[in-house]
Amino acid sequence: DAGVTQSPTHLIKTRGQQVTLRCSPISGHKSVSWYQQVLGQGPQFIFQYYEKEERGRGNFPDRFSARQFPNYSSELNVNALLLGDSALYLCASSSPGGDNNEQFFGPGTRLTVL
Amino acid sequence: GEDVEQSLFLSVREGDSSVINCTYTDSSSTYLYWYKQEPGAGLQLLTYIFSNMDMKQDQRLTVLLNKKDKHLSLRIADTQTGDSAIYFCPSGGYNKLIFGAGTRLAVHP
Repeated sequence: DAGVTQSPTHLIKTRGQQVTLRCSPISGHKSVSWYQQVLGQGPQFIFQYYEKEERGRGNFPDRFSARQFPNYSSELNVNALLLGDSALYLCASSSPGGDNNEQFFGPGTRLTVL
Repeated sequence: GEDVEQSLFLSVREGDSSVINCTYTDSSSTYLYWYKQEPGAGLQLLTYIFSNMDMKQDQRLTVLLNKKDKHLSLRIADTQTGDSAIYFCPSGGYNKLIFGAGTRLAVHP
């Protein structure tokens, strides 16, 4: 079975631009979470979606938005990019009520803002 | 608020045991996890412990949980160069994980 997939793997943007990152969860998983990992730090929670509804939001500005589609894939959108948005963006999927509530992480999208 | 604290760096000799420690503030987690992150990669779940247990052994890995002190530790026996990575002990659950800065484990010959 395929794990969590994310696209693109790398992305370079300039300040002020907008970016869309994509995530496909493990088949059967209905929950998708997004995390931002700045170099040298641990991942920070951005959003969680379950059954196409936002169920949790971290301490991020409104420039960050997301959505989940009927097939449970998800997009993270960031508007008006700042240099500080440069980070590894991780997507994780899970199946609530599963063995250990594990979140399965994708390989991430590395975003560089110049 | 929710917080996870870990020492930032640990250096061990190949073949020795490594012990990575973690303290957390969120006591509502049903499970506590240890994730491993190799350079440039995503996060891989290494092991986990149910919150009403105090120890779990999984091959070379031993997890100890002191719920009263909110202290979690990971012991890696016979540490190998392939164990070099950053280790995280997030609190939380399937909907939201709270991560600390992670412990970078360096294994040297």
